[in-house]
Amino acid sequence: GESVGLHLPTLSVQEGDNSIINCAYSNSASDYFIWYKQESGKGPQFIIDIRSNMDKRQGQRVTVLLNKTVKHLSLQIAATQPGDSAVYFCAEIPNSGNTPLVFGKGTRLSVIA
Amino acid sequence: DTGVSQDPRHKITKRGQNVTFRCDPISEHNRLYWYRQTLGQGPEFLTYFQNEAQLEKSRLLSDRFSAERPKGSFSTLEIQRTEQGDSAMYLCASSPLRWGETQYFGPGTRLLVL
Repeated sequence: GESVGLHLPTLSVQEGDNSIINCAYSNSASDYFIWYKQESGKGPQFIIDIRSNMDKRQGQRVTVLLNKTVKHLSLQIAATQPGDSAVYFCAEIPNSGNTPLVFGKGTRLSVIA
Repeated sequence: DTGVSQDPRHKITKRGQNVTFRCDPISEHNRLYWYRQTLGQGPEFLTYFQNEAQLEKSRLLSDRFSAERPKGSFSTLEIQRTEQGDSAMYLCASSPLRWGETQYFGPGTRLLVL
């Protein structure tokens, strides 16, 4: 079935470096994608979203890139800080509208001070 | 605090007991979702409501699970005759009805079935 997956389960970066977290999706009809950050014992926290009519969107220290040709999504975090340590999930909405999100397994980001 | 709230945050129960969780969504959010998350996995959809109507249920939602949103505001998720396999984090999220609006999650209820 359709699913959202991630290339790397873990990522370790030095504090101050940039982080790139990747995600592959399989449903070409998906038109809305969200990145969430989840700290231990907490619910997922919205970071940034992107719609399928865009290929890039920037937030504060974060950028999401969408490549529909290869069905790939990435999250870039600039100047990674210890507080960025968490599990990051990409999620897609397979159909237009606020239908349930489909999540991948997540990537654990560890920031080395 | 105007975010999604969930109660209780933690629940330990014995196998065979019934448990009920509550979710209070962001005020005026029409849609409310329940997800389940096990260790190391992403959240998996269980069911969702638009106002008081339950619009979709996942195949994960066995007949031991029931959810309600009687007045279109808060929601409850009940698990009857709990099993050890029900141990998980139960997450609630809400969103407005407008297309493309993201879902905002609560802190979750961690269930441990002994």
